[in-house]
Amino acid sequence: DAGVIQSPRHEVTEMGQEVTLRCKPISGHNSLFWYRQTMMRGLELLIYFNNNVPIDDSGMPEDRFSAKMPNASFSTLKIQPSEPRDSAVYFCASSLRMATEAFFGQGTRLTVV
Amino acid sequence: DQQVKQNSPSLSVQEGRISILNCDYTNSMFDYFLWYKKYPAEGPTFLISISSIKDKNEDGRFTVFLNKSAKHLSLHIVPSQPGDSAVYFCAASEVSGSSNTGKLIFGQGTTLQVKP
Repeated sequence: DAGVIQSPRHEVTEMGQEVTLRCKPISGHNSLFWYRQTMMRGLELLIYFNNNVPIDDSGMPEDRFSAKMPNASFSTLKIQPSEPRDSAVYFCASSLRMATEAFFGQGTRLTVV
Repeated sequence: DQQVKQNSPSLSVQEGRISILNCDYTNSMFDYFLWYKKYPAEGPTFLISISSIKDKNEDGRFTVFLNKSAKHLSLHIVPSQPGDSAVYFCAASEVSGSSNTGKLIFGQGTTLQVKP
């Protein structure tokens, strides 16, 4: 199994631009999570899905952030418009069951200038 | 509100000695706890977990201790090796109960450096 696959690995964009991060979970996993890593807050849960349905998006910082999971093998996290304070590493993770061991992708390092 | 806290940003130990990483939580409904290890430019990888029905779980050089009354868990690595140098995150979730949210809540992480 290839594990959780995220793209792109690095993204540099200008303030105000739209950014889309992509994730392919491990086949057969039915829970998917988006996290953001910052120095101050560590790994911060943004949103998670179970069976493609958003369960809790209370961690999404603002309306500028949105996430979708159109099918079991693909999810996107979109930021529109992006701001410099959105610069961070964004991780996608998937698990077989909610609240147990989750497997992480390698992350997308986002830099908004 | 940080429900899972790792109050030590960093820890440095000598190779062969014991490393002890600490984690505190505030939500008494948490009943499943995990430790993850993260190397630079990689995603976190699962290390070890413990259910609240236990107070200790051991896997090779890694042991996790849980003190429910103190809402505290710790990860012991013995003997420590230079390859253990990484950022360690603790995480907690509520697996059972009527309000199972399925969330894995992480702490801020502790950077461990093991010196040769």
